[in-house]
Formats: sequence, C-alpha cells, structure tokens
Amino acid sequence: EDQVTQSPEALRLQEGESSSLNCSYTVSGLRGLFWYRQDPGKGPEFLFTLYSAGEEKEKERLKATLTKKESFLHITAPKPEDSATYLCASASGGGADGLTFGKGTHLIIQP
Amino acid sequence: NAGVTQTPKFRVLKTGQSMTLLCAQDMNHEYMYWYRQDPGMGLRLIHYSVGEGTTAKGEVPDGYNVSRLKKQNFLLGLESAAPSQTSVYFCASRRTGAPETQYFGPGTRLLVL
Repeated sequence: EDQVTQSPEALRLQEGESSSLNCSYTVSGLRGLFWYRQDPGKGPEFLFTLYSAGEEKEKERLKATLTKKESFLHITAPKPEDSATYLCASASGGGADGLTFGKGTHLIIQP
Repeated sequence: NAGVTQTPKFRVLKTGQSMTLLCAQDMNHEYMYWYRQDPGMGLRLIHYSVGEGTTAKGEVPDGYNVSRLKKQNFLLGLESAAPSQTSVYFCASRRTGAPETQYFGPGTRLLVL
C-alpha cells in the first residue's frame, strides 16, 4: 500500500526566514510526485510535478526537489501570502486511479 | 474557461436523506475523481472515472454511488446520508497521458446531522 508522510505538521516562520517541508513516500512504481497548495476553504491548487530522482522545479519563492525516498519543498525568503497548507501526493502503479495524499503541512508566515 | 466547478458549495442534510453532488469540467479531460477531506487526514479517493460511461471504486467507496453520463460531468450520490459522511468533497479531473496533474474544484462542504 502506498504511503505519503509529510513533516512537520505545522510550521511557523518569520517573513524572510527560509525553510523546507518534507514529504517521504513509499510507493511501488512511482509515476509522479505532486505538490499542491491549499488555502482555507479552497480546493488544492497545483504547484509542481516531479517524475524522477534528481529532478528540480522552481516557481517564484518555491523549489521542489525529488530523491528516491523523499521530496522537499524549499521556501526561500517567504512572505505572509505564502501562508497555506502544502500537500504532497504520489501517483503509482499502472492504472488511472487517484493520487495518494499526505496530511499536509500547515505553514504560517508571520510579518 | 471555468476549469472544475462543483455544486452546491454547502449543504446540510439529516441522517437518511439523499443528495447528489455535481462536478463539471470544461477542459475536455477524460479522467475525473471524487475525494473527501477530513480533519487530520489526507484527501481520500472515493470513486473515479476514466471516461464517459465508466466508473471505478477508490479507497473509501462505501455509502456512495457515482455516474458519468456525459464526459464533462461526474455525479456523486449519497443514497442515505450518515453523520460519518460529514466532510468536504472535492472533484478533480485530468487529461490522459503524462503529466498526470489533477485539477481540483473548490469543494462542497457537507454536514449530516
């Protein structure tokens, strides 16, 4: 059974204080590792897809990386508007079934 | 281009009542999904569809039924609502092939009393 574990559950940072969120996964036949952002009362918003170990993707202050066991979401010099819950998910196997999600990391950036 | 839309946004039901949640997408995506999100848990897959007229069970299908009569619509039905079905329901869709990025709707908040 696929498992996705995110840490920490919650993280409070000062504006400008860089940090990383962790996503460890145990899946058979990884087809993709996904990062989403979710604001309160909203649906998940797509950020990145990573396919193979060593791959990196960047968007503004966010950078996602992938190893064979983990993915990291690095946040550089965050701003209060980066406050949200960040979700990690995996797609595995050979079928068209859905993503396996972690429980998320609730990130708060204080001014 | 509205993406994925969900109707209604919020609903209160009494135990035993039935209802249907509607998901619509205008991206011509083949695959559609229904998830539920509960506090302290990740999103969990209820049912999914790989094309018009097809449906399949996900991780937590009990108590729910689905139909995909048109490519752009995916309906989630609760025949006899239970308090355990109080949750936020999200619909998602994606195209065939890679990347397998799923795009989510805004959610339906359901309270079963």
